[in-house]
Amino acid sequence: DAGVTQSPTHLIKTRGQQVTLRCSPKSGHDTVSWYQQALGQGPQFIFQYYEEEERQRGNFPDRFSGHQFPNYSSELNVNALLLGDSALYLCASSSTAGANVLTFGAGSRLTVL
Amino acid sequence: AQKITQTQPGMFVQEKEAVTLDCTYDTSDPSYGLFWYKQPSSGEMIFLIYQGSYDQQNATEGRYSLNFQKARKSANLVISASQLGDSAMYFCAMRPGLGTGRRALTFGSGTRLQVQP
Repeated sequence: DAGVTQSPTHLIKTRGQQVTLRCSPKSGHDTVSWYQQALGQGPQFIFQYYEEEERQRGNFPDRFSGHQFPNYSSELNVNALLLGDSALYLCASSSTAGANVLTFGAGSRLTVL
Repeated sequence: AQKITQTQPGMFVQEKEAVTLDCTYDTSDPSYGLFWYKQPSSGEMIFLIYQGSYDQQNATEGRYSLNFQKARKSANLVISASQLGDSAMYFCAMRPGLGTGRRALTFGSGTRLQVQP
């Protein structure tokens, strides 16, 4: 049973560029959350998607946007990249029935030069 | 707002010994959930244990137990019989009760545990 799959695993961008990160949730899960983890810190909540809609959003600027598809997979888009956007981006999935526990992917490590 | 504090940046423990990782929290929500996650160098966050604020008994999962003291707002993780594979970052996290509609996990800054042979 595949867990949460994220792609790409690593990528390098330059300031001002745009990036798209992808996430496939664990089988049976319908809710996807995105977290940003800067080096040496705990993850911070970006937003959560359920039924293709953004259900909750953390304290992140509008440069961060997302999408959820009918198959429950999700994308995180970041526009006008800043050096401070360099981080590990973690996707987590859960099911409405078992909403207590999030299953995380291994993350996409973004470096902005 | 919710806040998680982990005051131990790093901990060392001998193999086969028990270790306690500290976590204190602050929240105004009447119900909430507390979690511990393990993050190896690979980056993936691995769920370890969950405690609901209204659960009467402390949660246990194999070698992991959560020492929940509600009045002191602490939720320490106890790992018994440490193994070399337990070396990793450990994060304490919390989330408001499901009835609030708020789903975000708030994480602490983590504790790096190193198990020595």
